[in-house]
Amino acid sequence: LAKTTQPISMDSYEGQEVNITCSHNNIATNDYITWYQQFPSQGPRFIIQGYKTKVTNEVASLFIPADRKSSTLSLPRVSLSDTAVYYCLVVESGGGADGLTFGKGTHLIIQP
Amino acid sequence: KAGVTQTPRYLIKTRGQQVTLSCSPISGHRSVSWYQQTPGQGLQFLFEYFSETQRNKGNFPGRFSGRQFSNSRSEMNVSTLELGDSALYLCASSLGWGLAGGRDNEQFFGPGTRLTVL
Repeated sequence: LAKTTQPISMDSYEGQEVNITCSHNNIATNDYITWYQQFPSQGPRFIIQGYKTKVTNEVASLFIPADRKSSTLSLPRVSLSDTAVYYCLVVESGGGADGLTFGKGTHLIIQP
Repeated sequence: KAGVTQTPRYLIKTRGQQVTLSCSPISGHRSVSWYQQTPGQGLQFLFEYFSETQRNKGNFPGRFSGRQFSNSRSEMNVSTLELGDSALYLCASSLGWGLAGGRDNEQFFGPGTRLTVL
């Protein structure tokens, strides 16, 4: 299973666009890139998942370059409530016997 | 549609005791996964059930066990509790196989059960 590397923490301000980059050098051809958000004392919440190029939903966009060695989660116009831990995961299309590997995540702090 | 529910939300036990945690998945979901979250180790996979069968198990001792019922509800049991078992235990359900990528495999997490072992 591909290991992911993402920044430990990031700071931004309300109304800004935030981009969190995740590196996953040995991603397999059929692996998906998935992002989860977690608030303190709550379970993680699925944000977005992509396989290649760009995926957009109502809360975020996910950019995946052609080499798929990295990906970027983009949060438009963040608010204070976006302060959370964001996890980048590589998920095997056929299923991973080791479960989902969450890593340490990125602590995103949004300031007024 | 109701989300994933976990009971109890908080639990205090003493070393040596055993505990059973319950998880009710979203209606129609057949996959249930369990995770342990601690400040030091982060989120770690315990096991995953699909249609009453345990299909995958994480690297935890045999004191940790689980089961899934025909209505997809799941329980996990921890016997002979140790201080290090204090953690937030999270359950997640998915329509398809929660450990795989792709549509229908998105995992929906419950609020967790906070277990404190004294």
